[in-house]
Amino acid sequence: DSGVTQTPKHLITATGQRVTLRCSPRSGDLSVYWYQQSLDQGLQFLIQYYNGEERAKGNILERFSAQQFPDLHSELNLSSLELGDSALYFCASSRRGLNEKLFFGSGTQLSVL
Amino acid sequence: ILNVEQSPQSLHVQEGDSTNFTCSFPSSNFYALHWYRWETAKSPEALFVMTLNGDEKKKGRISATLNTKEGYSYLYIKGSQPEDSATYLCASLAYGGATNKLIFGTGTLLAVQP
Repeated sequence: DSGVTQTPKHLITATGQRVTLRCSPRSGDLSVYWYQQSLDQGLQFLIQYYNGEERAKGNILERFSAQQFPDLHSELNLSSLELGDSALYFCASSRRGLNEKLFFGSGTQLSVL
Repeated sequence: ILNVEQSPQSLHVQEGDSTNFTCSFPSSNFYALHWYRWETAKSPEALFVMTLNGDEKKKGRISATLNTKEGYSYLYIKGSQPEDSATYLCASLAYGGATNKLIFGTGTLLAVQP
C-alpha cells in the first residue's frame, strides 16, 4: 500500500459528460501529480500541485482542470468527455519535489462510451 | 535524444537468468533519473532515484547505474525470479526553466518463466 488513495477505481460514462477524480496523497506529502496512461502510450504527465498551488503543467487539455485543496487532497476534473479520454488516470505524491520517489495511487480506470 | 527511451521493449527469460535493461535520456539539464517497477493490475512502485554521475544503487537482487554525461542508465536483475515479472519504467527529470517535469519511458516488460 503506497498510502495514496484514489477514488473511484472505475468510472464508466458517456461522451459529453463531466467527471471528477479524487486523490488523497500520503500523509505529509505536499506535491501531487496527475498522470494519464493510454493504450500504447507511456505515462503522460498532466499537472503537478505543490502545497495548494499549481507547480507544473504537462499535456493537459483545456477541457481538463485540477486543484489541490487546503487539506492537500486533489481533484482532476474532466469535462466534455470524448472517447479518446478513456484511460487509466494515476495520481502520485511526493514529500516535496521530483528529486524524490513518487508514490502512486491505484489509479482510476475511465471508460467513455 | 529528446525523449526517454527504453530497450528492449520486452524480454523473456528463464528463472535464474540475470538480465539488464537500458534507459536513454537527454543528458542536457539533467537533474534526476527514476526507476519504477509496475506489476500488472497494481500501481508503479519506486525502485531508485539517482542524481549523480556514476551513481550505483542496489535493492536486493536489483541494481542500477547512472551515466549522466552520455545519458543512460542500466537496471540489472540478478537471478531473475517469476515474481520479478513486471514492467520496469524509467523517468528522467531535467531542469525546465520555471518548471521541471518527470518524463517517463514506455517501459521494458519482463517475463520470467519458472
